[in-house]
Amino acid sequence: QSVLTQPPSVSGAPGQRVTISCTGNTSNIGAGYDVHWFQQLQGTAPKVLIFDNGNRPSGVPDRFSGSKSATSAFLAISGLQADDEADYYCQSYDNYLSVWVFGGGTKLTVL
Amino acid sequence: QVQLQESGPGLVKPSETLSLTCTVSGDSISKSSYIYNWIRQPAGRGLEWLGRFYLTGHTSYNPSLKSRVSISIDTSKNQFSLRLTSVTAADTAVYYCVRSSNSGGVWYFADWGQGTQVTVSS
Repeated sequence: QSVLTQPPSVSGAPGQRVTISCTGNTSNIGAGYDVHWFQQLQGTAPKVLIFDNGNRPSGVPDRFSGSKSATSAFLAISGLQADDEADYYCQSYDNYLSVWVFGGGTKLTVL
Repeated sequence: QVQLQESGPGLVKPSETLSLTCTVSGDSISKSSYIYNWIRQPAGRGLEWLGRFYLTGHTSYNPSLKSRVSISIDTSKNQFSLRLTSVTAADTAVYYCVRSSNSGGVWYFADWGQGTQVTVSS
């Protein structure tokens, strides 16, 4: 059981928009800690997609966007493409556990 | 472009010590603008942060690992290392070395090694 809760799976057709939620509590997201998002393609290492809630590293398309509200964060992917199929993880800091924590991951399927 | 590469035994016996090294290339590990981490991922499961090393010499570890974990750095070799003692099957995972970067005061896991599989089995 992860401290940050994500839906196990989401799906969408090419060209559509999907949103992945990440729900925490007042010890992590709700305490004001930044949320970051990672994409993990099959058999590869995670790659940072969004940092500091809504910033994209250079090279990440603007189809990917992040937001945060209260105790939750959201990753939106617009204009879905086949190669967006991957696992997506949110990550933050938890001051009760004193650890950097990850969500359980969401598998995105492009139909 | 910085690259991180994990190395170490792929098989460790129960109760023994797991030791991994991460070699950093393309940048000096001595730069104080980075923090060095280890993160692991059991097969088919999520990510778990294990610990980090600050170039000030300060370390921070996941309390769930209690006193089993330690991270050290060798600036002369541009490497940092993970040591996990008294391993059990639950420590079987892919282990990643990760460099944290800072942007506008925000630290995030920016650069990842490709990961190395470690299996604990007799």
